[in-house]
Amino acid sequence: QQPVQSPQAVILREGEDAVINCSSSKALYSVHWYRQKHGEAPVFLMILLKGGEQKGHDKISASFNEKKQQSSLYLTASQLSYSGTYFCGTELGSHYGQNFVFGPGTRLSVLP
Amino acid sequence: NAGVTQTPKFQVLKTGQSMTLQCAQDMNHNSMYWYRQDPGMGLRLIYYSASEGTTDKGEVPNGYNVSRLNKREFSLRLESAAPSQTSVYFCASSAYHEQYFGPGTRLTVT
Repeated sequence: QQPVQSPQAVILREGEDAVINCSSSKALYSVHWYRQKHGEAPVFLMILLKGGEQKGHDKISASFNEKKQQSSLYLTASQLSYSGTYFCGTELGSHYGQNFVFGPGTRLSVLP
Repeated sequence: NAGVTQTPKFQVLKTGQSMTLQCAQDMNHNSMYWYRQDPGMGLRLIYYSASEGTTDKGEVPNGYNVSRLNKREFSLRLESAAPSQTSVYFCASSAYHEQYFGPGTRLTVT
């Protein structure tokens, strides 16, 4: 029941926008987004709980469509520092950990 | 405040050897996790501990054992290492949803 992420990889120029999608075949309680730079540990970006609320900080935001069990991560006016692999993580219930699964990741490269 | 620490950073084992990966957190978090990360596979949950004294299997527990020694420490043991266990191992902790990850242990089994 690993979530599906698309695209697998994307290359941008600085200042361009990108959208990364995450979808599941199961009814989701929440979707998490993490970013991992090469050779480093993943870092938490945000969580979206059931309810469809859109969240964001700075120029990175995300939405959660409960009906479609899909989440999208929006990166606007991308910066070089946005490069890395983005993972979504999904959980099926409020008992955290038991059903938490990461997606395979989307590799984002931002070029000058 | 060190966050989540892991030892060792690198390890090479021969097939059949055993070892324990150590993890400690100083954020007073109840939940702790062990993941492995293989190229192209993302992070897969091996075991997690929702609180001191409890542990549960994740997605890929075979070949591993864990111990939640106290609230701070959560160790992962490989009793008889196999080449398929070559991977990067991450420990993480959380108070609720947001997980904080350690720097990882790169393990090679030959």
